[in-house]
Amino acid sequence: KNQVEQSPQSLIILEGKNCTLQCNYTVSPFSNLRWYKQDTGRGPVSLTIMTFSENTKSNGRYTATLDADTKQSSLHITASQLSDSASYICVVSDRGSTLGRLYFGRGTQLTVWP
Amino acid sequence: EADIYQTPRYLVIGTGKKITLECSQTMGHDKMYWYQQDPGMELHLIHYSYGVNSTEKGDLSSESTVSRIRTEHFPLTLESARPSHTSQYLCASLHGTAGLAGGNEQFFGPGTRLTVL
Repeated sequence: KNQVEQSPQSLIILEGKNCTLQCNYTVSPFSNLRWYKQDTGRGPVSLTIMTFSENTKSNGRYTATLDADTKQSSLHITASQLSDSASYICVVSDRGSTLGRLYFGRGTQLTVWP
Repeated sequence: EADIYQTPRYLVIGTGKKITLECSQTMGHDKMYWYQQDPGMELHLIHYSYGVNSTEKGDLSSESTVSRIRTEHFPLTLESARPSHTSQYLCASLHGTAGLAGGNEQFFGPGTRLTVL
């Protein structure tokens, strides 16, 4: 069964600190993995996309890693800001059909305190 | 920021009412999607469309219906709302023939939070 599991479920950190969010997946055949940021009451917004051959990708203070062998990904946030408070969702796309489909994790709810 | 809009943003209605959630995008995307999301849970695909006059049911069974008469417009209708329909509904669109497997990005609207009393 194709699944995406995220940990921790929730996380509280102080402003300026770093944190790492985890994503494990069993989706096969794998196509790509995205990390989305979803602010409360808003739709998800893509932060990064990683394909099978990519190990690391950065977008400002966000750095995503992918280990396709162990089917694990992480999202590292550096020097957190209050605006980083949001739900971070790991989304994996398969290539089992022509157009693919998405498998969503439940997200990690990050709260940054001043 | 993506040009995909949803109205209303919040809706509180009584049981048995008919409602239509609006979704429109100005990017000319051919593929559009409706997701249902409960607090702390993953998004579930309930409907999708690959173009005008094309609609399909998603993975999660839903009593809602959709239509795609124009490229830019993908409304979702509930004929008789019930408390079990209380949820957040997210609309998304996608451009390109490569699809999700090719890495094309889905753009999401801000969502409609529906509460049925």
